[in-house]
Amino acid sequence: EAGVTQSPTHLIKTRGQQATLRCSPISGHTSVYWYQQALGLGLQFLLWYDEGEERNRGNFPPRFSGRQFPNYSSELNVNALELEDSALYLCASSFRTGDAGYTFGSGTRLTVV
Amino acid sequence: AQKITQTQPGMFVQEKEAVTLDCTYDTSDQSYGLFWYKQPSSGEMIFLIYQGSYDEQNATEGRYSLNFQKARKSANLVISASQLGDSAMYFCAMRDDADGLTFGKGTHLIIQP
Repeated sequence: EAGVTQSPTHLIKTRGQQATLRCSPISGHTSVYWYQQALGLGLQFLLWYDEGEERNRGNFPPRFSGRQFPNYSSELNVNALELEDSALYLCASSFRTGDAGYTFGSGTRLTVV
Repeated sequence: AQKITQTQPGMFVQEKEAVTLDCTYDTSDQSYGLFWYKQPSSGEMIFLIYQGSYDEQNATEGRYSLNFQKARKSANLVISASQLGDSAMYFCAMRDDADGLTFGKGTHLIIQP
């Protein structure tokens, strides 16, 4: 069974540009979660998608957005990039209810210069 | 709002010794789940162990066990017979239906030969 896959693994952008990060969940999982992990810090919840809908978002500005496609894969878009957006972005997937498991991808390391 | 507290930013442990990583949590939910994840330097989050709030027995997975004390709101991870490959960041996390997972700030565990 393929795990959660994220692309690209590394991304370098300049300040003010837009970044698009992608995530493919484990087959059968309908929920996708996005987290930001800045250097030396814990994971901060960004967004939760389930069945194509945004279910919840963390305390991040609106320039962080995303969507979930009919095949349950997901995109995270970050507009007007700032230097502080440099971080590891992790995606996790799970079943919507009744399951304890969250499986993480290996992350996309975004560097803003 | 939920909160996870990990009070040990870093720990040094001799190989083959047992190690306990502390985690306390705060929630008003009656039903919740607690997780421990390992994050090696490569960045991926590796699921270790899960404890449901209604589980009467402490969870165990191989060398990992979770010391769940509900009244104290603590969920400490115990690693028996530590190995050099256990060196990593360890995160305690809690699930609720609204936010996915809330993470602590992590403990950096270093196993010394």
